[in-house]
Formats: sequence, structure tokens, C-alpha cells
Amino acid sequence: SQTIHQWPATLVQPVGSPLSLECTVEGTSNPNLYWYRQAAGRGLQLLFYSVGIGQISSEVPQNLSASRPQDRQFILSSKKLLLSDSGFYLCAWSPSAGQETQYFGPGTRLLVL
Amino acid sequence: AQSVTQPDIHITVSEGASLELRCNYSYGATPYLFWYVQSPGQGLQLLLKYFSGDTLVQGIKGFEAEFKRSQSSFNLRKPSVHWSDAAEYFCAVGDRGSSNTGKLIFGQGTTLQVKP
Repeated sequence: SQTIHQWPATLVQPVGSPLSLECTVEGTSNPNLYWYRQAAGRGLQLLFYSVGIGQISSEVPQNLSASRPQDRQFILSSKKLLLSDSGFYLCAWSPSAGQETQYFGPGTRLLVL
Repeated sequence: AQSVTQPDIHITVSEGASLELRCNYSYGATPYLFWYVQSPGQGLQLLLKYFSGDTLVQGIKGFEAEFKRSQSSFNLRKPSVHWSDAAEYFCAVGDRGSSNTGKLIFGQGTTLQVKP
């Protein structure tokens, strides 16, 4: 069966520091991968998605970037965090080729101080 | 453009009472539709999905949803709510126009509170 991991689970970072959040999927190959942000009391905002290694699409202009160095690894990064980057970050995967059911990881809580 | 509306931001029901969470979508063709549940501090868990066929869909944890094309709705129901159902519920529509990217469009969510 497929599983999705995210780490760290919680992170407290100062403003201006770098960020790296990691997401990995097991038990499947060539998944579509997604990064979402969920601000407190708000819905999900799609940040990035990827349909293959090295293929990243950005949904909103922002302070963050994403990379997919391996088939089942998706990384969310920032060179300098802003206060507004605080939130709950969720990674998700879906099978490729048109099946659109997304399966979510446990999330990373990021607090920027 | 596709969109999903969950009209109720917050709903409170008594334990044992029935539940209906509303979801309306805007989409030009037959959509893929989903309901997810999120407990505090957790990721989203898929409750059920509709792709085609029978318009009444059964999911996990005793939930069901009915696709009504004429009303552009996909409401989630449960006949008897348990305290453990307190969570946030998200409705989503599959964005078929995105060339197999699998993107979903989510509603803003409905927070369910269960009174003892």
C-alpha cells in the first residue's frame, strides 16, 4: 500500500531564515505531487504541483519554491522566511494519468517568529 | 472557471442527531467530486468520492453523499453523528480541464462541532 511522509512535523523558525520541508511517497511510482498551505482558520491553498521529476508548476506568486529531485520526493523551500509564511503545510499525491483522488500527508506546522 | 462553495462555515449538532453538510459546485461537465475530513492538526482523509454511476455514494465512517446534477450539489450526510465526527470537512471538485495534473479545487471547509 501507499504511504506519504512529511517532516518535520513541527518547525519554529525566525524571520529571514531558510526553509526546507520534505515529502516522500512510498508504494507507487510516477505520482503527481502537490504542496498546499492552510493558514489558520482558512481553507487549502495549492502552492505547487508536479507531474514528474524536475517538473514544477507554481499556482501563486510567493516567497516559496519547490523541487522534485526524485520521483517520489517533493521539497518545499524558501531562502528567507516571512511572518506570512506561517501555516500548516500539506503534501499530497495522486496517481498519474487522470485519476484525481489525492491522498494527503500528516502535515508540517510552521511558525515563523 | 470551476469553483466549490460550502455555504456553512460552522455547524453544531447534538450527538446522535442527523447531519447534512452542503456543497455546491460550478463545473461545465460531469465533475469528479470528493469529501475529505480533517481532524485538528492532521492531514486530510478521504471520506468518499463520486466519479460516475450511482449518484448516492457510500463512504467511510458511516457517511454518504448524493450527487444531484440539477442542483449542482454534492451534500454529505450521516444519520447519527458521533462526538468523534467533530472536525473540518472539505468538499472538492476534480479539475478535468488541467490535462491530467490531478488538481483539485477545494471549498473553504465546514467546521462541525458536536454537542454531548
